[in-house]
Amino acid sequence: NAGVMQNPRHLVRRRGQEARLRCSPMKGHSHVYWYRQLPEEGLKFMVYLQKENIIDESGMPKERFSAEFPKEGPSILRIQQVVRGDSAAYFCASSPKTENSPLHFGNGTRLTVT
Amino acid sequence: GEDVEQSLFLSVREGDSSVINCTYTDSSSTYLYWYKQEPGAGLQLLTYIFSNMDMKQDQRLTVLLNKKDKHLSLRIADTQTGDSAIYFCAENSGNTPLVFGKGTRLSVIA
Repeated sequence: NAGVMQNPRHLVRRRGQEARLRCSPMKGHSHVYWYRQLPEEGLKFMVYLQKENIIDESGMPKERFSAEFPKEGPSILRIQQVVRGDSAAYFCASSPKTENSPLHFGNGTRLTVT
Repeated sequence: GEDVEQSLFLSVREGDSSVINCTYTDSSSTYLYWYKQEPGAGLQLLTYIFSNMDMKQDQRLTVLLNKKDKHLSLRIADTQTGDSAIYFCAENSGNTPLVFGKGTRLSVIA
């Protein structure tokens, strides 16, 4: 059973470009979470999605950031017009259900904005 | 909002026990977790404990929970160099997203 798959592992973008980060949850998991980790920091919650629904986006910046989890295919975290402060590791996690289920994390996408 | 605090660094000798401590503020926490992160990798779930328990043991790992003081600890017996990593404490309650501490960097000296 493959774990949570994230790609790309590393992504370099120039300021002003768009970044698209992909996450395929573990088989049988219908809940996806995105977290951001800044250097020397813990993980900060961004958004929680189920198939075709955003359940909680309280951690998402109000502008430039969006997330989706379509009926078919991976979850996508999109960052438009990236700035240097967006450089971070972005982790996706999945669980089979929300309440009291441990999250299983992918290896992350490390975004560098030049 | 909820907060999770950990000391940032811990250094131990190989073969000794490591104890990593964590405090949290959310009195409604139902599950508390320990994750391990090695360099360049994601987070690996080590163990978790339900809030109505006060201890859980899994091989070299022992988790102690003092719910009154909102204090969680992770003890690693016979610490090995392969245990060097960052250890994150996390908590949630019901449907809320996991809240993480900043992580404790464990260094094991041979």
